[in-house]
Amino acid sequence: DAKTTQPNSMESNEEEPVHLPCNHSTISGTDYIHWYRQLPSQGPEYVIHGLTSNVNNRMASLAIAEDRKSSTLILHRATLRDAAVYYCILRANAGGTSYGKLTFGQGTILTVHP
Amino acid sequence: NAGVTQTPKFRVLKTGQSMTLLCAQDMNHEYMYWYRQDPGMGLRLIHYSVGEGTTAKGEVPDGYNVSRLKKQNFLLGLESAAPSQTSVYFCASSYWGETQYFGPGTRLLVL
Repeated sequence: DAKTTQPNSMESNEEEPVHLPCNHSTISGTDYIHWYRQLPSQGPEYVIHGLTSNVNNRMASLAIAEDRKSSTLILHRATLRDAAVYYCILRANAGGTSYGKLTFGQGTILTVHP
Repeated sequence: NAGVTQTPKFRVLKTGQSMTLLCAQDMNHEYMYWYRQDPGMGLRLIHYSVGEGTTAKGEVPDGYNVSRLKKQNFLLGLESAAPSQTSVYFCASSYWGETQYFGPGTRLLVL
């Protein structure tokens, strides 16, 4: 499986934007870039995913580099509730024999200050 | 919809005891997964299932067995618990391998 590299931790102030980087230099052409987050004492939850184009949803935006070797998760206005571990995961095409399996790294611990 | 539920929430076992963790989903998802998470680590896949009656090994399957007798349920069994199996166990489900939805977790302590 192609691997991702994320900073161990980042800090932000409430109501400010947060840019969480992820490097994935060995990404293959069919790998999707997924982001999940895990709030304290909870199971992971899906945030966003993309293949080549930038993506937006109600939770966040995903900016994907043109060569796809890196991506950035953008939280437009951080809240205290956004304090979590954020995982950047490469996932093969769900319709193939990977069966949607996810390989989690250690993620980035995001601390949000009031 | 309850989503993905896990039973029990917390359990203490003695070495050598057995137990079964139950995962249930009400979203009619085909695929289900069992992960474990050790302190400060990401989740690791134990076993998964791509449909009723099917199971397959993940990254760390040793010491665990699973069964998927009904589409909505995925059971994880520990036949002879060991301290190394102390962990938080998460179940997840997905519709044909798309977005995974996770349960709240089961904390297991093996003494």
